[in-house]
Amino acid sequence: NAGVTQTPKFRILKIGQSMTLQCTQDMNHNYMYWYRQDPGMGLKLIYYSVGAGITDKGEVPNGYNVSRSTTEDFPLRLELAAPSQTSVYFCASSFIYPGTGGEYQETQYFGPGTRLLVL
Amino acid sequence: GQQVMQIPQYQHVQEGEDFTTYCNSSTTLSNIQWYKQRPGGHPVFLIQLVKSGEVKKQKRLTFQFGEAKKNSSLHITATQTTDVGTYFCAGPGNQFYFGTGTSLTVIP
Repeated sequence: NAGVTQTPKFRILKIGQSMTLQCTQDMNHNYMYWYRQDPGMGLKLIYYSVGAGITDKGEVPNGYNVSRSTTEDFPLRLELAAPSQTSVYFCASSFIYPGTGGEYQETQYFGPGTRLLVL
Repeated sequence: GQQVMQIPQYQHVQEGEDFTTYCNSSTTLSNIQWYKQRPGGHPVFLIQLVKSGEVKKQKRLTFQFGEAKKNSSLHITATQTTDVGTYFCAGPGNQFYFGTGTSLTVIP
């Protein structure tokens, strides 16, 4: 299994340009996430999906869009790039399953990230 | 909104010393997860705690979940250079929130 793959690894955009960050997972996970991580900071949730055809906003969704037409793919779209979107973007997927004590267990698997610089 | 804070933000230790990072949530969490991110890398899942007061160990790492399920800690005994990285706690609220992270530097 390749796990979670992301492309591109690095990209420079000019202000106002658009681009799509690709994310693919081959683990048949229902849940997928997009995070951004600014230098020296934690991860902020942008969008997430609980299954094909279902997406929802996270903590910082403004300026982004997502779609989930298949279980495997969860692309993130930037329509009008702004310097504030300079960041490292991580895609993750997870499978939620019941634990032995009635609780649910989840492990998020992360892709290698995409470094985006907007100038 | 929900906040998950970690202290300290940075920690430098001599190799062999112990290290502890603390995680505090503004709301009760159904579970807490811990991740490690090496410099330039991506977060990697370490463990999940679910029960109030739960303690789990992974070799030199000890994880605790508070009785009120609003705080957690990670303790590393006798740090090694391989422990270098940023440690994040994370948990579900109405969404999924990562803590602010603690960056650990181990001086040989």
